[in-house]
Amino acid sequence: SQTIHQWPATLVQPVGSPLSLECTVEGTSNPNLYWYRQAAGRGLQLLFYSVGIGQISSEVPQNLSASRPQDRQFILSSKKLLLSDSGFYLCAWSEGPNTGELFFGEGSRLTVL
Amino acid sequence: QQPVQSPQAVILREGEDAVINCSSSKALYSVHWYRQKHGEAPVFLMILLKGGEQKGHEKISASFNEKKQQSSLYLTASQLSYSGTYFCGTPSNTGNQFYFGTGTSLTVIP
Repeated sequence: SQTIHQWPATLVQPVGSPLSLECTVEGTSNPNLYWYRQAAGRGLQLLFYSVGIGQISSEVPQNLSASRPQDRQFILSSKKLLLSDSGFYLCAWSEGPNTGELFFGEGSRLTVL
Repeated sequence: QQPVQSPQAVILREGEDAVINCSSSKALYSVHWYRQKHGEAPVFLMILLKGGEQKGHEKISASFNEKKQQSSLYLTASQLSYSGTYFCGTPSNTGNQFYFGTGTSLTVIP
């Protein structure tokens, strides 16, 4: 069966520090991968999506970047965090275009101080 | 690109019914519904495809009218466990992006 893991679960970082969140999927091949951010009490904002290794599309032109070094690995990064980067980050995968549900990781709660 | 949901929030007593609406200014190719409990990841409820489809999941059902670019989620005889935030979602026309609606907070009280 397919599983998705995301880490770390919680982190507190100072403004200006770097960030790395990682997500891995098991039990499937060539999934569509997504990074979402959810500010407190708000909706789910699509940050990045990827349809294959090295193929990243950005929805939000901010100080975040994403990479997909392996088929089932998706990484969200920042060189210098801003206060506004605080939120709940969610990685998700799906089998492909219009093919069904999104499966989410457990989420990473980031607080930037 | 984000679908708009209404109402933004609703409070129900156990056993009452609720309807959550989702509408888009762009064509909807399919509509998903998810429920998110506080501090947790969203959980998939159902997907509706074109054709005026209706689906049911226990006492939760939904309809999809692609001509009106709308979907509605129906919760009947609500239970305390139904509390959470409900999101509709839809893929882009290429199918690669996936956008969630603005969300509806549902609280069921005894």
